[in-house]
This record gives sequence, C-alpha cells and structure tokens, in this order.
Amino acid sequence: EAGVAQSPRYKIIEKRQSVAFWCNPISGHATLYWYQQILGQGPKLLIQFQNNGVVDDSQLPKDRFSAERLKGVDSTLKIQPAKLEDSAVYLCASSPPGIKDTQYFGPGTRLTVL
Amino acid sequence: GESVGLHLPTLSVQEGDNSIINCAYSNSASDYFIWYKQESGKGPQFIIDIRSNMDKRQGQRVTVLLNKTVKHLSLQIAATQPGDSAVYFCAELFGNEKLTFGTGTRLTIIP
Repeated sequence: EAGVAQSPRYKIIEKRQSVAFWCNPISGHATLYWYQQILGQGPKLLIQFQNNGVVDDSQLPKDRFSAERLKGVDSTLKIQPAKLEDSAVYLCASSPPGIKDTQYFGPGTRLTVL
Repeated sequence: GESVGLHLPTLSVQEGDNSIINCAYSNSASDYFIWYKQESGKGPQFIIDIRSNMDKRQGQRVTVLLNKTVKHLSLQIAATQPGDSAVYFCAELFGNEKLTFGTGTRLTIIP
C-alpha cells in the first residue's frame, strides 16, 4: 500500500513570497490533516478535512494560510504571504473512514523562509 | 516558547540496554494515547497505543504504561538497537478533539 505522498520535500523562499504544498493521502482515506511542526516541537494541527469538508481549522492562521481538498482526495496548503516564523516542516496525514485515531503521516515538506 | 522547544529532552542509551521514555500529558479526560517515532527527514510513525481503560499494553519490544493518577505515560523499549535512534512523541486524544502532541524526546543509541 502506498503511503501519504507530499511534494515538494524542501522549499526555500523569501518572506512575503507565496508557497504551496501538495498532499496525496492513502487511497480510500476520508480524513486528511495538515500539521505544522516547528523545529524541536511536536506537530500542531492546522486543518482537518473529512472528504472535501473542513472539520477543524481553529488553529489555521486564516489571514495567510489556506487549504483546500476540492475533490475529497488530494489537498493543497498555501501560505501567502510567508513570514519568517512560518519556517517549519508541514506534515500531511490521513486516516481511514471511521478510524480517526490512526493517522498515517507523509514525509513532510521542509519550508525555510529567509 | 520557541527557545525551549529547540532543546529537546535527550536520552542516550547503550545498545542492547532498555530505554524508558516518559511523557506527562495535559488533559485528565483524554481517553486515547499514542506513541510516535520520528526519524530524521520523515513523518511520525505509529509505534503503539493505549486506551484509558488500560494501564499497560505490550507490543514487539515496546511496552506502554499509563498512570492516570499522575497523568503520566511511558514507553519502554527493550534491547535497544541503532535503528531505535529517533525522536519519540506521545500524543493524547479526547473524544472528537484534535490529537495533541507532546514536545518529544530524542533517543540516541550508543554502539
């Protein structure tokens, strides 16, 4: 079974630029999560989708971050404009229908904002 | 703050010895706990889980202990191997709330 795919793996941008990350969850997984992991810390949930609907985006900085999962499969996370403090690893995870406790993580995208 | 987060708790263990990684969780109502392993450049990987109605659960070379009285979780790894070197996170879940991760502990295996 293929795992969660993410791209790009690394991205370096200057502050105030825009960036987008892509995630393809495990086939059949209805729930998709985006996490932000700052160096030395545990992952922090940004947004959770159930199919193409948002379940929880309470910790998403909506003035600069946006995410979509239009067809209920793959998802994109965008930052516009980026700030220095957005430097982190952005992890995507997915879980099977009805089993939200078990989340499978992708390798992440390491973002550096200069 | 961020400066505290940069200094992960660390544990160095001789290869072949047993490791014990501890975690204090925050919500006394949490009913599900997971230990994740994160190797450099990879996403967290599920190791073992435990529900709040249990106080011990064993897997292959790993054991999780839950002490709800003091809100403490531990992960025991038997006969550690070089491949066990990673950062280990505990995570807690309450009902339909979001999974909340702890700070993490960096485990280094000394050959």
